[in-house]
Amino acid sequence: GESVGLHLPTLSVQEGDNSIINCAYSNSASDYFIWYKQESGKGPQFIIDIRSNMDKRQGQRVTVLLNKTVKHLSLQIAATQPGDSAVYFCAENTGNQFYFGTGTSLTVIP
Amino acid sequence: SQTIHQWPATLVQPVGSPLSLECTVEGTSNPNLYWYRQAAGRGLQLLFYSVGIGQISSEVPQNLSASRPQDRQFILSSKKLLLSDSGFYLCAWGFNLAYEQYFGPGTRLTVT
Repeated sequence: GESVGLHLPTLSVQEGDNSIINCAYSNSASDYFIWYKQESGKGPQFIIDIRSNMDKRQGQRVTVLLNKTVKHLSLQIAATQPGDSAVYFCAENTGNQFYFGTGTSLTVIP
Repeated sequence: SQTIHQWPATLVQPVGSPLSLECTVEGTSNPNLYWYRQAAGRGLQLLFYSVGIGQISSEVPQNLSASRPQDRQFILSSKKLLLSDSGFYLCAWGFNLAYEQYFGPGTRLTVT
């Protein structure tokens, strides 16, 4: 079966610093990836996505990097703010179904 | 723009009681609809998905069922709840099985 995991379950960063959240995936056939942000008690919120024909994609204050060689995905958040505190998880898609990681809890220290 | 609604937001039900959770989507037509369960410290588990009215695919055998009586309405049901049914239930919609999914606010179900 699929295996989507995160390297660190928790991450604490100082406000204003950059954050990097990592994700490993196991299926080399996965061709589409999404990062979600989930605040406590709320539904996941789409942040950014990337397809396997790309290795980098940028959004507002966020960048996703895809390394297909080692099956690794990362989310970089620039100038982290207190409102960024949440659980972040990645999802991979092989064409007809998503598989979700358990998430990394990001805490921003004011 | 599209919006997705779920209700109730929280629910406490005794073991053996029935369940009905509702999800509706606005601002789009013929969406794919999904029900997920999220247990504490675990990833999202896909329960059901639907590509059209009356079309339901089940991913995990369980005592839950799903129905799609209207294009933008998706219902999760159970005739008799188990303690293990407790969790955070999320409805999501998407344009295609291979494209992004957008989640509703979720329902926190506690079976006592």
